[in-house]
Amino acid sequence: EVKLVESGGGLVQPGGSLRLSCAASGFTLSPYWMTWVRQIPGKGLEWVAKIKRDGSEKYYLDSVRGRFTISRDNAKKSMYLDMNSLRVEDTGVYYCAGVESMAAAFDPWGQGTLVTVSS
Amino acid sequence: SYVLTQPPSVSVAPGKTARITCGGNNIGTKSVHWYQQKAGQAPVVVLHYDTDRPSGIPERFSGSNSGNTATLTISRVEAGDEADYYCQVWDTGSDHYVFGTGTKVTVL
Repeated sequence: EVKLVESGGGLVQPGGSLRLSCAASGFTLSPYWMTWVRQIPGKGLEWVAKIKRDGSEKYYLDSVRGRFTISRDNAKKSMYLDMNSLRVEDTGVYYCAGVESMAAAFDPWGQGTLVTVSS
Repeated sequence: SYVLTQPPSVSVAPGKTARITCGGNNIGTKSVHWYQQKAGQAPVVVLHYDTDRPSGIPERFSGSNSGNTATLTISRVEAGDEADYYCQVWDTGSDHYVFGTGTKVTVL
């Protein structure tokens, strides 16, 4: 079964840090661009970051650039999102998803992990 | 930045047709993907590349894309189609991905 599983979410104070992980099973990560998408509870989807198959290119949503860092380890079939200087507005469910090519749809998706930034 | 606009809600009776629009500047020149998200679940692709249905998606789901509007059409709507639907494109200008604002489909 093709599966992505996120972990690492939790409650953190403003200004704090978290590392999210995304583990793949049932398929090889290396052919995919990998992305992070977030969703404020009750609101819409927002793309956050993406990383090229070999990790050589990374792109970020303007509001997280400089604070978040996306990375991957294809040998471990894993992707990561290091989040620093967290803000209340970063609160949401964070999904990882694979993209076969730049213009392709996001598929597969993980089940999401909740990040809550609050004092 | 590129913006995709969807109606906040669409209501439809069972057996009827629901049409969900996604407006964007010259969206007809881009590949549009559509996702269905049921309550408490991750999104699932129901259409990719404007009109193509992934394996397992019923033929009742179809799409079009031209000019400034892409449309997802759900024919013979069933209670199980009740969900939020999002359109999505890759904006080559910014090299960012963009999601639409989302449409809640309610089956009456």
